[in-house]
Amino acid sequence: EAQVTQNPRYLITVTGKKLTVTCSQNMNHEYMSWYRQDPGLGLRQIYYSMNVEVTDKGDVPEGYKVSRKEKRNFPLILESPSPNQTSLYFCASSLYWGDEAFFGQGTRLTVV
Amino acid sequence: RKEVEQDPGPFNVPEGATVAFNCTYSNSASQSFFWYRQDCRKEPKLLMSVYSSGNEDGRFTAQLNRASQYISLLIRDSKLSDSATYLCAVTPEAGGTSYGKLTFGQGTILTVHP
Repeated sequence: EAQVTQNPRYLITVTGKKLTVTCSQNMNHEYMSWYRQDPGLGLRQIYYSMNVEVTDKGDVPEGYKVSRKEKRNFPLILESPSPNQTSLYFCASSLYWGDEAFFGQGTRLTVV
Repeated sequence: RKEVEQDPGPFNVPEGATVAFNCTYSNSASQSFFWYRQDCRKEPKLLMSVYSSGNEDGRFTAQLNRASQYISLLIRDSKLSDSATYLCAVTPEAGGTSYGKLTFGQGTILTVHP
């Protein structure tokens, strides 16, 4: 089944404790991206990747890192999480930039 | 001005009603346009892409107005199952400073009641 898989789905962590949210797609898509969704603010793009080893900042990259060592994986790293990073996070992939985006099921992160 | 703006609503309509949403974008050179549907606490899913000539899929019609820089979504004969948040999304022109981005509006909440 074609899908984007995020893990974990739910995470509660403490301020400053490094964490990684994984994202994997099995559709051989070139384009992948991360979003956070907050009430009243909609989906905001954190980072995106046009292809392997090519990543760039979205609109809200502060406090996040990404890597794209393989085509299928695009992990989101929070080196030192803070409470303002409490949010619902979505990973998405597209065959190419500008094509339909397929989203993972989301990761609800709470930083206390 | 936000890059992509939507009226957040909520829109509360009875079954069978026709409802329309607009989404404005600030970059006149934007090149791809989409409408996504998001059910509560779920991931967004593509509803339809928006083409220059407009497109229709059953009860749903999407249109692009480049002169006024907005896209629209029309839902006819609303069903209870249409209740969701509708998100528009826009990509900028290729080769520009925002190359690679995909920007979403904040979403419009639709509730269809019996």
